[in-house]
Amino acid sequence: DTGVSQNPRHKITKRGQNVTFRCDPISEHNRLYWYRQTLGQGPEFLTYFQNEAQLEKSRLLSDRFSAERPKGSFSTLEIQRTEQGDSAMYLCASSLAGGTYEQYFGPGTRLTVT
Amino acid sequence: GQNIDQPTEMTATEGAIVQINCTYQTSGFNGLFWYQQHAGEAPTFLSYNVLDGLEEKGRFSSFLSRSKGYSYLLLKELQMKDSASYLCAVRDKGQNFVFGPGTRLSVLP
Repeated sequence: DTGVSQNPRHKITKRGQNVTFRCDPISEHNRLYWYRQTLGQGPEFLTYFQNEAQLEKSRLLSDRFSAERPKGSFSTLEIQRTEQGDSAMYLCASSLAGGTYEQYFGPGTRLTVT
Repeated sequence: GQNIDQPTEMTATEGAIVQINCTYQTSGFNGLFWYQQHAGEAPTFLSYNVLDGLEEKGRFSSFLSRSKGYSYLLLKELQMKDSASYLCAVRDKGQNFVFGPGTRLSVLP
């Protein structure tokens, strides 16, 4: 257990529905990242927060995806009008600014779109 | 563009030494990371290199050559529990972390 938690762990939804995932980072970490990982591939960067500010967003991320980090604590990732191609593991990671920027990953939320 | 290459799969014997290579081409460089990921689990941090040379950490060592865009992870005295995917990742000029596809290592008895 790295100290980063994600909920839910699994989500099955029908195409066209909206889903929201939550990430609770390590409390003193000010940086929070979202990644998407499909089978046999490495994590793909989606977006990054420093405190409550969303500082970077992947150009691959469509406008159906949105993320928030109110008050610089937990974060939510919402996918609207889900598509079968959205099926993946969604990973959250947190880190401290400065130092090595080592990231601590949560267990992930596995999304299946039917 | 951003590109990280690693071998897809490797096999080694318990007790042996294995070297996993990683080459990268990124828009900037602010450090190279190695992560271990067991099947169905999240990645866990193994090592970090920002300067050229070798970093040793117990049975694991990581090497970096920035001029060649090259790194390797060396695992000594392999154990069955080392069977996992090993991910090479580069932090580029921003805070973007670019991950390679991972190398799936199988340790055989």
